[in-house]
Amino acid sequence: EVQLVESGGGLVQPGGSLTLSCSVSGFSVGTNYIHWVRQAPGKGLEWVSVIYSGGSTYYTHSVKGRFNISRDIPRNTVYLQMNSLRPEDTAVYYCARDPGFLEACDIWGQGTMVTVSS
Amino acid sequence: DIQMTQSPSSLSASVGDRVTISCRASQNVGSYLTWYQQQPGKAPRLLISAASNLQSGVPSRFSGSGSGTDFTLTITSLQPEDFATYYCQQSFRNPFTFGPGTKVDIK
Repeated sequence: EVQLVESGGGLVQPGGSLTLSCSVSGFSVGTNYIHWVRQAPGKGLEWVSVIYSGGSTYYTHSVKGRFNISRDIPRNTVYLQMNSLRPEDTAVYYCARDPGFLEACDIWGQGTMVTVSS
Repeated sequence: DIQMTQSPSSLSASVGDRVTISCRASQNVGSYLTWYQQQPGKAPRLLISAASNLQSGVPSRFSGSGSGTDFTLTITSLQPEDFATYYCQQSFRNPFTFGPGTKVDIK
């Protein structure tokens, strides 16, 4: 079964760190693009980051220098390391697959909630 | 960055209605335009990629059109399960920005 499962969310204080995991089954993170998209409570979707099959990475401006996307191909898992967290990073974080030829995300995880608050 | 706008921000419609949602990019994105549907509390669902390619399993009442800066999502004969929020997203250039969404609810 093709599936993405996020984990690692939780409550963290401002300035703290958290690492999200996106565990994949049914396809390889080494041959697909994996995106992170977030949604603040009651708000719209915001694209956060992508790791391409070749290993290139990109970020939205507001997280550049604070977040790092990486992957472990043998574990078939993608990570989003989040540092210097701010209250405005509070959101549900989704990982999603783009098989490349679609230039769109066809399979999404269920999301994991990150709350940044003191 | 490429800015995406959508209109209307919300609309009320009845089952069986034809619904049209517009999406505009601040610069030319070619056909690198995707439409997603999101139900409350659920992950987004891919409807249309490359502006007009219907994703496998998506009902044919959904269609997309446009290129460059102006795009349209059309739902012919709205069904109860179509009441949701719809987002467009450009994948032409990073960051891959989303539109603010259009909420379709029951009249």
